[in-house]
Amino acid sequence: NAGVTQTPKFRVLKTGQSMTLLCAQDMNHEYMYWYRQDPGMGLRLIHYSVGEGTTAKGEVPDGYNVSRLKKQNFLLGLESAAPSQTSVYFCASMRGQGKDEQFFGPGTRLTVL
Amino acid sequence: AQRVTQPEKLLSVFKGAPVELKCNYSYSGSPELFWYVQYSRQRLQLLLRHISRESIKGFTADLNKGETSFHLKKPFAQEEDSAMYYCALSDYQTGANNLFFGTGTRLTVIP
Repeated sequence: NAGVTQTPKFRVLKTGQSMTLLCAQDMNHEYMYWYRQDPGMGLRLIHYSVGEGTTAKGEVPDGYNVSRLKKQNFLLGLESAAPSQTSVYFCASMRGQGKDEQFFGPGTRLTVL
Repeated sequence: AQRVTQPEKLLSVFKGAPVELKCNYSYSGSPELFWYVQYSRQRLQLLLRHISRESIKGFTADLNKGETSFHLKKPFAQEEDSAMYYCALSDYQTGANNLFFGTGTRLTVIP
């Protein structure tokens, strides 16, 4: 099992460009999450999904959109990238029921110039 | 609002010395707390959770509701313990089990 994978690993964008980050999990987990990690800020939740076809806003959702068309995939989109979105993005998944642990992907380092 | 505080950004200890990483929380309910660890060039992974009350890699953490703390402790630090440690609180009451992370503590164990 690959667990949680993220594509791409690195990306550099210019201000105003758009891109999509892909998160995939092969554990049949119901819940999926997108976080951003910034120096001195820890991880902050951007959006999450509690099942296929559902999405919800987290702590810092502005400037991002998400989709969960398939259970195993959770996409994070930036429609018009801004330098403030320079960060490391982590995806996570969780089985769903009960007080379970989240499994994290390796991260995507995004730089917006 | 949920909040997790890790007061130390950096912590250095000598090999064999005891280590304690501090975590305080605020939550209007019965908290569900975790410690996650990120070793160099590895992904974030669960170290331990308070409901399991187990010791992982020699680490323990006790939930103190009176002091609203969940400090991580190890009696004898090893070089391989050097990593970034995050305390996290699960907002399971919403049904989404969202995690709120502290800002992390980078532990360095000096040989």
